Amino acid sequence: EAGVTQSPRYAVLQEGQAVSFWCDPISGHDTLYWYQQPRDQGPQLLVYFRDEAVIDNSQLPSDRFSAVRPKGTNSTLKIQSAKQGDTATYLCASSRDWGGYEQYFGPGTRLTVL
Amino acid sequence: SQWGEENLQALSIQEGEDVTMNCSYKTYTTVVQWYRQKSGKGPALIILIRSNEREKRSGRLRATLDTSSQSSSLSITGTLATDTAVYFCATEYQGGRALIFGTGTTVSVSP
Repeated sequence: EAGVTQSPRYAVLQEGQAVSFWCDPISGHDTLYWYQQPRDQGPQLLVYFRDEAVIDNSQLPSDRFSAVRPKGTNSTLKIQSAKQGDTATYLCASSRDWGGYEQYFGPGTRLTVL
Repeated sequence: SQWGEENLQALSIQEGEDVTMNCSYKTYTTVVQWYRQKSGKGPALIILIRSNEREKRSGRLRATLDTSSQSSSLSITGTLATDTAVYFCATEYQGGRALIFGTGTTVSVSP
């Protein structure tokens, strides 16, 4: 089975620019997660969905961040007006259903904000 | 933060040596998961231990869980250069399926 795919793999932008990250989870996985991983730290949850519904978005850093999963499959995470503090790797993960613990991670998008 | 004492931040060892890393957590969890992250990749689950288990083995991996002290350990025996990675422990976020990760232990295994 194909793994979680993410694009782009890298992004470099100036402060104030917007950027979107795209995630395609493993087919049949109904739960999708976005994590932010600053350099030399563990991943930190931003938001997660079951199907198209947001389960928890309380960890999104600010209203500059938004995430959608309109058809319960692919998902997009967007940062409006990026700041240097947003520099990190953004990881997408998916899992099969509420009964399963294992999350499958994509390779991430490494974002640098200059 | 969910995490108390953190793992040792970095370990450098030779192939064939054994290594153990620890983490402790603050709030109740039903399961502790250990993930391995190699350079340029996302984390991958390597072993999971439930709250009713004291020890779990998988190949060269051994995880322990002490719910009374809210701590867990991961041991790797007979390390290989391919074990070079960052190792994270993770627990449940607010009782759901999302995860809270520790800061991780970097293990470098030299051939």
